[in-house]
Parts: sequence; C-alpha cells; structure tokens
Amino acid sequence: GAGVSQSPSNKVTEKGKDVELRCDPISGHTALYWYRQSLGQGLEFLIYFQGNSAPDKSGLPSDRFSAERTGGSVSTLTIQRTQQEDSAVYLCASSLPNWGSYTSPLHFGNGTRLTVT
Amino acid sequence: KNQVEQSPQSLIILEGKNCTLQCNYTVSPFSNLRWYKQDTGRGPVSLTIMTFSENTKSNGRYTATLDADTKQSSLHITASQLSDSASYICVEGPGGGADGLTFGKGTHLIIQP
Repeated sequence: GAGVSQSPSNKVTEKGKDVELRCDPISGHTALYWYRQSLGQGLEFLIYFQGNSAPDKSGLPSDRFSAERTGGSVSTLTIQRTQQEDSAVYLCASSLPNWGSYTSPLHFGNGTRLTVT
Repeated sequence: KNQVEQSPQSLIILEGKNCTLQCNYTVSPFSNLRWYKQDTGRGPVSLTIMTFSENTKSNGRYTATLDADTKQSSLHITASQLSDSASYICVEGPGGGADGLTFGKGTHLIIQP
C-alpha cells in the first residue's frame, strides 16, 4: 500500500519568503508527526497531531513555524519569513495509536529538503 | 535531561562481516526501545521495537537486544551486505500518538565490498 508521501521533495527558497510543506499520511493513521533533521544531527521534534488536534506544539522553533491538519489526514507545515538556519530536511511520520500491548511503529516519508539561500 | 547516546558515530566494515551498534539511554520512565534504518535521502524505516519485558528481537539479519537494568541496547547485523550501508537510529519512547520520543544521533555504517 501507499506510504507516507511528502511534497515537494526539494525546495529552494530565498531568505524572507514563506514556504509550505505537505504531508499525506498513511490512510487510517490518526497520529502524525513533524520532525526536522539537520546534517549530522538527530531528529528534532516539531509537532504532533492526534486527529486534527495538536496536543503538543512545544517543539516549534519560533512563531514563524505553524502547522495544521485537516480531515484527520493531510498536514501542512508552514514556515514564514524563512531564515538560512531553517535549512534542513523536514520529515513527516504517521502511526496508528498504541493499544493494549501493541506498540505502533512510526512510518516516515522521505522528507522535504529545504534550502534557504 | 532524557538522552539517547549512540556509538560509534561511524563504522566501516567489509561486506560479509558482522557488526554491533550500541545505544545507551537515560530516559525514565522507560517506554519502549526502537531501532530505525535510514538510507541516504530517505526517511527512517522501523527495524525493531522492544518493550520493557523483551530482551531480544530479530528482523532478518538484524537482532536487537535490550538490557533494562543497564539501560543499554545493541543492534547486531549478521553477514553484512552492501545494502546495509545506512544510518541506524536508536529511539526511546511510546509513539503511537503520544509525544516523548527521544532520538539518538545515529551510527553511520558503511559496508565496503
């Protein structure tokens, strides 16, 4: 079946411009996560959604970052007034809920590589 | 601060050889321990997930172990193949719609022919 799809795969933008990154999770996955991965660094948590709600937005680096999820499916991460330090790979993941003794793995997309010039 | 530390940072071995990657965690309370494989330019892919009561789990040539007393996990790769060249990431946390995942920085493994 289809996995997590992210678009665009690559984005080059000028400093100060706004960008939108899109994530299509696996159908039926209620949990959706956004992470940022810089070269040589571990994954940095940004935000996660349970359905359309975002219980935890504490990972968003600044108020230039926002995310929404509609219909319990597609999510968009928006970065306003991009800065060079925003350059990174932005990864989206989705999962089923944990229930009983079952622990759900995260299913990742291949990411959007953002370069701010 | 909850941490997941991985070693070595990078490793080069010859095709066909075995190797073991290490992960130490200080996360408390413990939830579960996951290993992911990330090929260059791709998203991470789940290899194993272990709960507190499990001390070993295999996925083909990959075998993960967990020692909850010493808070250590290892990933053993048997009879390495060129396609095993990737970054291997250790993760502690519940996932499944809950926050609290702590990621290691990964071990970059290169398999040479």
